Amino acid sequence: GDSVTQTEGLVTLTEGLPVMLNCTYQTAYSTFLFWYVQHLNEAPKLLLKSSTDNKRTEHQGFHATLHKSSSSFHLQKSSAQLSDSALYYCALSDPGNTRKLIFGLGTTLQVQP
Amino acid sequence: NSKVIQTPRYLVKGQGQKAKMRCIPEKGHPVVFWYQQNKNNEFKFLINFQNQEVLQQIDMTEKRFSAECPSNSPCSLEIQSSEAGDSALYLCASSRNSGNTLYFGEGSRLIVV
Repeated sequence: GDSVTQTEGLVTLTEGLPVMLNCTYQTAYSTFLFWYVQHLNEAPKLLLKSSTDNKRTEHQGFHATLHKSSSSFHLQKSSAQLSDSALYYCALSDPGNTRKLIFGLGTTLQVQP
Repeated sequence: NSKVIQTPRYLVKGQGQKAKMRCIPEKGHPVVFWYQQNKNNEFKFLINFQNQEVLQQIDMTEKRFSAECPSNSPCSLEIQSSEAGDSALYLCASSRNSGNTLYFGEGSRLIVV
């Protein structure tokens, strides 16, 4: 079935270093990929989404490019900030008619001074 | 601030008790989702609605939960008999009819003692 695999567990970075969180997916259909961010005690919020192959999508300093050839949608940022510390989820839009999102297990990003 | 409103933010129930959570979706969003976020931060899809009709629900929801989205009233999710394993953050999300982006509330945190 359709699934999402992302960098697991905790990623710890020093402020100013680049961020890369991996996301790969499995689906037989053309669909949307998403990155959501959830700060502590807050609602998950959309960070990026794309359905277009090889097109870079950017928002709030983060970017990702959907590569259908490698089934990937990695999240990147050139320079981590302390405020980027949060949970990050990669998700796939269910290509059926259920409208739901299928989430990866989440990656905790911790940015240290 | 999230436009999806969930109440209560916290609830504590004894094993065997009912636990009811409510959600007001964002205005103009006819599709409503419930997800469970467990202590490992994993998202589990529970059920979703389009207007008042169930689109999809998992087996656990069908057997142990009661959920509805009546017109002109908040949506609700109720666990009929709480178990320790139900302790989690219950997230409600909504989306537009033609959209695939989910907009989340801040969640209702259930603790079963």
